[in-house]
Amino acid sequence: DVKVTQSSRYLVKRTGEKVFLECVQDMDHENMFWYRQDPGLGLRLIYFSYDVKMKEKGDIPEGYSVSREKKERFSLILESASTNQTSMYLCASSPRGTSGSEYNEQFFGPGTRLTVL
Amino acid sequence: GQNIDQPTEMTATEGAIVQINCTYQTSGFNGLFWYQQHAGEAPTFLSYNVLDGLEEKGRFSSFLSRSKGYSYLLLKELQMKDSASYLCAVTDSNYQLIWGAGTKLIIKP
Repeated sequence: DVKVTQSSRYLVKRTGEKVFLECVQDMDHENMFWYRQDPGLGLRLIYFSYDVKMKEKGDIPEGYSVSREKKERFSLILESASTNQTSMYLCASSPRGTSGSEYNEQFFGPGTRLTVL
Repeated sequence: GQNIDQPTEMTATEGAIVQINCTYQTSGFNGLFWYQQHAGEAPTFLSYNVLDGLEEKGRFSSFLSRSKGYSYLLLKELQMKDSASYLCAVTDSNYQLIWGAGTKLIIKP
């Protein structure tokens, strides 16, 4: 069964703290993504990665960084947490696509609800 | 710019039929997804359309018209467990998924 796991469901941090959110997938997917989801705004892409050690900025990368040292693991780092980073963070993975098909269904983890005080 | 529009919220009655619309303006098109997301949970895949027409899957169907930049998700025989948000997402020319803000569907007995 397809599985994406995230290290925490709920997290409370203080302003200025460094925060690590971990995501692991067991489907051997090449692509991994970090989103944040806020009411009325939908899913917004923070960073994504197409391969180990590769990373690309999404729509809202400011204040975040990522690390992908192994294929199955994609970490999101908040270098100095701020209250406006309080949100639901969702990790997803997808296969690269085969046989000329770019079908790219994304599989999501359960999410981490981060509160920054 | 790229844009996907869905109604913010809809209400329907248990046992009825509801249609959730999605219109998009994106740089290229390589497929459209519908996802379901229950409150506090992750989105889960419902359907995928890349060619014009209707795709049926049990109580759920999804329609696509590429020339009109339009899709809808049709839910039949509504059940209380269908209360959720429904997300429309389009794959653009760079094979990036562009997400709509989602439609919150409320089912009343």
